[in-house]
Amino acid sequence: GENVEQHPSTLSVQEGDSAVIKCTYSDSASNYFPWYKQELGKRPQLIIDIRSNVGEKKDQRIAVTLNKTAKHFSLHITETQPEDSAVYFCAAPIWTGTASKLTFGTGTRLQVTL
Amino acid sequence: KAGVTQTPRYLIKTRGQQVTLSCSPISGHRSVSWYQQTPGQGLQFLFEYFSETQRNKGNFPGRFSGRQFSNSRSEMNVSTLELGDSALYLCASSLGQGSRNTEAFFGQGTRLTVV
Repeated sequence: GENVEQHPSTLSVQEGDSAVIKCTYSDSASNYFPWYKQELGKRPQLIIDIRSNVGEKKDQRIAVTLNKTAKHFSLHITETQPEDSAVYFCAAPIWTGTASKLTFGTGTRLQVTL
Repeated sequence: KAGVTQTPRYLIKTRGQQVTLSCSPISGHRSVSWYQQTPGQGLQFLFEYFSETQRNKGNFPGRFSGRQFSNSRSEMNVSTLELGDSALYLCASSLGQGSRNTEAFFGQGTRLTVV
C-alpha cells in the first residue's frame, strides 16, 4: 500500500533520557525523509531530514538513521528536555501510481517528564 | 522571505453552509498540499496541486474541493458543512511536486468550527 507507518503513537520519557521513533515506508524509490515537530497549537515544522544517499545525519541532540534495504528510518533524540514535548511526524514521498505524494506517518506524541 | 500564509485564521460556520479557505505559498513554490487535522489526530491528506493541476487526492467526499491559480495561490472549498468538518486545515508549499527531495513548509492553519 501507499503508506508510512509510525511507532509508537505515544512515548513518555524522563528528562535526560533518549527517545526513539521509528517509521517504515512502502515505496522503494522514496529518496527524502523529513521529520516534523508540532508543538501544541502550532504548525508542523521541519526539524531534520535525510536523503537516501546517506545512512545517518545528526544535528546537536537530534539524529536520523535510514536503512533503505529494510525501508525504515528512525528519529533519535538524546538528553531529552521538557521543550521536546510535542507530536512528531515522519514523512516520505510515496508514488501513488499517478504522482508522488508526501505521505505522513500518524504521529508520535512525546511527553518528557521532569 | 515570507512564509506560507493562510487566511482566515479562524472561522465559525453553520451546518449546511459552505466555506472557502485560502493559501498563499512561499514565492517560487509551485506545489500546495492541503491537510485536515482534528484534535489528537494526524495529518489527513486532502489534495495536492502543482502548476494549477490536481496531482493527488485523498479519501474525502466530493464536498471537499480545491483549485490553484496561475500565481500558485490555492483555495479549498467545503460545501454543505457538517459538524465533523470542524478541524484545523493546514496547507503546505514546496518547490517540487510531491515534495520529492524538497522541504514542505506549513502555514499556520485555518481553524474551522462548524456549529
